[in-house]
Amino acid sequence: DAGVIQSPRHEVTEMGQEVTLRCKPISGHDYLFWYRQTMMRGLELLIYFNNNVPIDDSGMPEDRFSAKMPNASFSTLKIQPSEPRDSAVYFCASSLLGWRIAFFGQGTRLTVV
Amino acid sequence: KNQVEQSPQSLIILEGKNCTLQCNYTVSPFSNLRWYKQDTGRGPVSLTIMTFSENTKSNGRYTATLDADTKQSSLHITASQLSDSASYICVVSPDGGFKTIFGAGTRLFVKA
Repeated sequence: DAGVIQSPRHEVTEMGQEVTLRCKPISGHDYLFWYRQTMMRGLELLIYFNNNVPIDDSGMPEDRFSAKMPNASFSTLKIQPSEPRDSAVYFCASSLLGWRIAFFGQGTRLTVV
Repeated sequence: KNQVEQSPQSLIILEGKNCTLQCNYTVSPFSNLRWYKQDTGRGPVSLTIMTFSENTKSNGRYTATLDADTKQSSLHITASQLSDSASYICVVSPDGGFKTIFGAGTRLFVKA
């Protein structure tokens, strides 16, 4: 298995633009998570899905952020409009309920200028 | 307030030496505690997960301890290698679910 796959690895965009981050979880995993990591705040859980259904989005910072999981093998995190303070590394992770260990992707480094 | 505090913030050791990283938490209730290793530019990778009843758990040269009474955990690395250079993150789950509380991490540098 290739693990959790995220794209792009790096994204540089101008303030006000829409940004879409993509994630392919490990096949068979029923939980998917989106995290944000910054130097100031460390790792923060933004939202997680179970069987493609959003369970808890209380970590999503603002209405500018939205996440979808149209099927078991794909999820997106969208920021519209983007702001410089959104600059961070965004991680996607997946897990099986019985394991309770999340397997992380390599992250997308987002820079908003 | 649920918090996870790690110390030291950063650490430099010589290759072959041992080191111990600390994690103190004020999370309540408590279900489990995990240690993750994060290499630069990569996602975190799980090292250990410990529940309330476990005191010690090893994973190769990594040994985690847990004292649920004092709400402290440590990660001991034996015979350090250059590849151990990474951030080590302590994560606590209050209820066994996925709303976990992350520590800020300890940045370890192993020098030749």
